[in-house]
Amino acid sequence: DIQMTQSPSTLSASVGDRVTLTCRASQTINKWLAWYQQRPGKAPNLLIYETSILETGVPSRFSGSGSGAEFTLTISSLHPEDFATYFCQQYHTPPWTFGHGTRVEV
Amino acid sequence: QLQLQESGPGLVKPSETLSLTCTVSGFPFTRDSYFWGWVRQAPGKGLEWLGSIQYGGSTYYNPSFKSRLTLSVDTSRSRFSLSLTSVTTADAAVYYCARLTFTRYFDVWGRGSLVTVSS
Repeated sequence: DIQMTQSPSTLSASVGDRVTLTCRASQTINKWLAWYQQRPGKAPNLLIYETSILETGVPSRFSGSGSGAEFTLTISSLHPEDFATYFCQQYHTPPWTFGHGTRVEV
Repeated sequence: QLQLQESGPGLVKPSETLSLTCTVSGFPFTRDSYFWGWVRQAPGKGLEWLGSIQYGGSTYYNPSFKSRLTLSVDTSRSRFSLSLTSVTTADAAVYYCARLTFTRYFDVWGRGSLVTVSS
């Protein structure tokens, strides 16, 4: 299975900060990476797919980049509703696997 | 608007079978290119894909669950189901159903169904 490693596990930030989350795959996954946001008690919500394509309705302050095995999710200016946990997922090779998440907290 | 809704018992005894159903509304369940799947999340943990199924019955299972997992579809009711046998306390989790796109990321999720395993 492809292992997905996210760092940091927790990130402390403030409203207005620019933050970058990292996701590394145990092998190359080309561009086949998605990012999800999960607020407490809620289902995950798709933010980005194919490394950098924003899902419809996702604010433009979110962006994704990377290739091969290293990827980043950047939030250009944190809004209060962005404090949540973010997961990456590879869909290059089944079984589809997720990272353990990065929690963005105040 | 596409909606997915999980349903099923919230409590299952150890060694018994966990059964959940996901009902799809607001979208043609039998549209090609999409799969329907299950992802679970143990308390305080990450996300784990269990398996996926297409309306025609084609299935893909996570090898970690293949011996215990069966997915099925009921196209007449636009729903798909999960059956996980021989459950243990390690199977306690929130179980989400979700739609998978052609390339297999999860673009729409249900609200989740909490399953507790206890005698």
